[in-house]
Amino acid sequence: DVKVTQSSRYLVKRTGEKVFLECVQDMDHENMFWYRQDPGLGLRLIYFSYDVKMKEKGDIPEGYSVSREKKERFSLILESASTNQTSMYLCASRIWTDTQYFGPGTRLTVL
Amino acid sequence: KNEVEQSPQNLTAQEGEFITINCSYSVGISALHWLQQHPGGGIVSLFMLSSGKKKHGRLIATINIQEKHSSLHITASHPRDSAVYICAVSGNYGGSQGNLIFGKGTKLSVKP
Repeated sequence: DVKVTQSSRYLVKRTGEKVFLECVQDMDHENMFWYRQDPGLGLRLIYFSYDVKMKEKGDIPEGYSVSREKKERFSLILESASTNQTSMYLCASRIWTDTQYFGPGTRLTVL
Repeated sequence: KNEVEQSPQNLTAQEGEFITINCSYSVGISALHWLQQHPGGGIVSLFMLSSGKKKHGRLIATINIQEKHSSLHITASHPRDSAVYICAVSGNYGGSQGNLIFGKGTKLSVKP
């Protein structure tokens, strides 16, 4: 079975802190994604990567950056966390246009 | 206007009832996905389909490409089916080939 893991299920940070969210997949998938999910807004794409060291902005990249140094690992970075970044963050991976496999999610609270 | 619309937003059913969740989309697609999200957050892919009908256990997904519409049916519903069901479509959108566009989800609650 494909497994996508995220570094934390719950995270509490203070405004202005630098936050790292890590995602690891074990199926050699080329494509990896970071989404945030907010009530009433659904899932929105922050960034995606289709290969090592490659990244593309999604619909809401402002305030975020990403890093993909190894194929299995895709990190989301909040350079200076703000309260409006309190959300559920979900990572996903897939082979090209096939089914996406999601991680369990990280619920981030920024105080 | 959202490119993927789901209805209803919320649905409460009694155990054993037949359930239908609808999804309409306005863009050209290569595939439509039905996802399930249980409380706690994890999302599981139920179906990916580009035509016709797929069945898995008590779940059936259909798609009508001409009408740009899909339905997810649950037969003999059970409280463990309580979850948020999300419709998503994939296709060519500018430079983001194959990326998903999501509906806002349907929250299903099945009462015993």
